[in-house]
Amino acid sequence: DTGVSQDPRHKITKRGQNVTFRCDPISEHNRLYWYRQTLGQGPEFLTYFQNEAQLEKSRLLSDRFSAERPKGSFSTLEIQRTEQGDSAMYLCASSLTLREGPAISYEQYFGPGTRLTVT
Amino acid sequence: KNEVEQSPQNLTAQEGEFITINCSYSVGISALHWLQQHPGGGIVSLFMLSSGKKKHGRLIATINIQEKHSSLHITASHPRDSAVYICAVSTLGGSARQLTFGSGTQLTVLP
Repeated sequence: DTGVSQDPRHKITKRGQNVTFRCDPISEHNRLYWYRQTLGQGPEFLTYFQNEAQLEKSRLLSDRFSAERPKGSFSTLEIQRTEQGDSAMYLCASSLTLREGPAISYEQYFGPGTRLTVT
Repeated sequence: KNEVEQSPQNLTAQEGEFITINCSYSVGISALHWLQQHPGGGIVSLFMLSSGKKKHGRLIATINIQEKHSSLHITASHPRDSAVYICAVSTLGGSARQLTFGSGTQLTVLP
């Protein structure tokens, strides 16, 4: 257990339905990331938050996707009008970023993921 | 061409064997991460390194910045080491520090 939790762990939905996932990061972590992983592939970056501000979004994040982190704590990822191609594992990670710099990196702690199946 | 390439894609070993997984990258990085993913999805960070070598128990990670190459070694492998091992990099510059991942190496250690 890394301290990052995600809910639900599994979601099966019909095409066209909306789904929402939740991520609870480690409480003192200021950064929160969303990644998507399809079968047999490594995860791909979707978006990240610094506290409550969404600072970057990948081109993978179409208009049907929206993410929020309203109080700088938990985050939600919503997919509207789901498509079969949205079927994947959605991973959340958090990190504590103390200072910025081009050559500075921090360890990310991953949640268990939410596996979405769109039928 | 992917920015992060891993080899091999699949690896089967007998218990006790010495295992090496390789990772090459084509971009400037601030750090390289080795991650372990068990069935069910959860990812655990094994190492984060930007130079040299790190060791934790039976796991050793090395990185050669000039050659843009890293290796993960497992000594005295055990069936519980069976998992997907993923190499990921934090790229230089930018602000996101999101990770760019390789496609993973599926390791199976047989008893």
